[in-house]
Amino acid sequence: DTEVTQTPKHLVMGMTNKKSLKCEQHMGHRAMYWYKQKAKKPPELMFVYSYEKLSINESVPSRFSPECPNSSLLNLHLHALQPEDSALYLCASSQGETGNQPQHFGDGTRLSIL
Amino acid sequence: AQSVTQLDSHVSVSEGTPVLLRCNYSSSYSPSLFWYVQHPNKGLQLLLKYTSAATLVKGINGFEAEFKKSETSFHLTKPSAHMSDAAEYFCVVSERNAGNNRKLIWGLGTSLAVNP
Repeated sequence: DTEVTQTPKHLVMGMTNKKSLKCEQHMGHRAMYWYKQKAKKPPELMFVYSYEKLSINESVPSRFSPECPNSSLLNLHLHALQPEDSALYLCASSQGETGNQPQHFGDGTRLSIL
Repeated sequence: AQSVTQLDSHVSVSEGTPVLLRCNYSSSYSPSLFWYVQHPNKGLQLLLKYTSAATLVKGINGFEAEFKKSETSFHLTKPSAHMSDAAEYFCVVSERNAGNNRKLIWGLGTSLAVNP
């Protein structure tokens, strides 16, 4: 069982919908991440939060909006997505953001845009 | 700049035979290196990590990897493959530098098939 919980596991939405992906961890980690992963590819970093503040935005389109309400929760708000945004969205956490600490991943949300 | 090369995109072994997944990296400074595994429709699970301690690193599920600085390699091995080892494996490098480089650099992955 993963220590990082993501909901929902699957999401199908139209291009005009607004939805949110949720991620929760209770390991006391202070860095949290959003990744996008296409089939048969490595994950691509989207956002990094460190101590509840956004520290990295990898030039992600504004139709993706991250939010970190507290140290255990991370949301990704979705609006007006495009078909090419269909992918597996992974959340991860680590003790800190130093880069030498392993990241713990959730099982992801599989997103399909109609 | 750092980079990671996984030398095989696909490896196929028979159950009970050894597994070797090859990874080479380039890094200007002392790197941290990781191997992650991803089973179908699952997230990524850390197998093992190297962070400048012992060069032979033991991980979960019988996997181990050896950091060889002279060869800039971090190959993943297992003495005897199980059917449950069939998955995608990613080699990842991270390093500290004078800037604030905290991003992981991922290899393209190696798909491991285990035949009965």
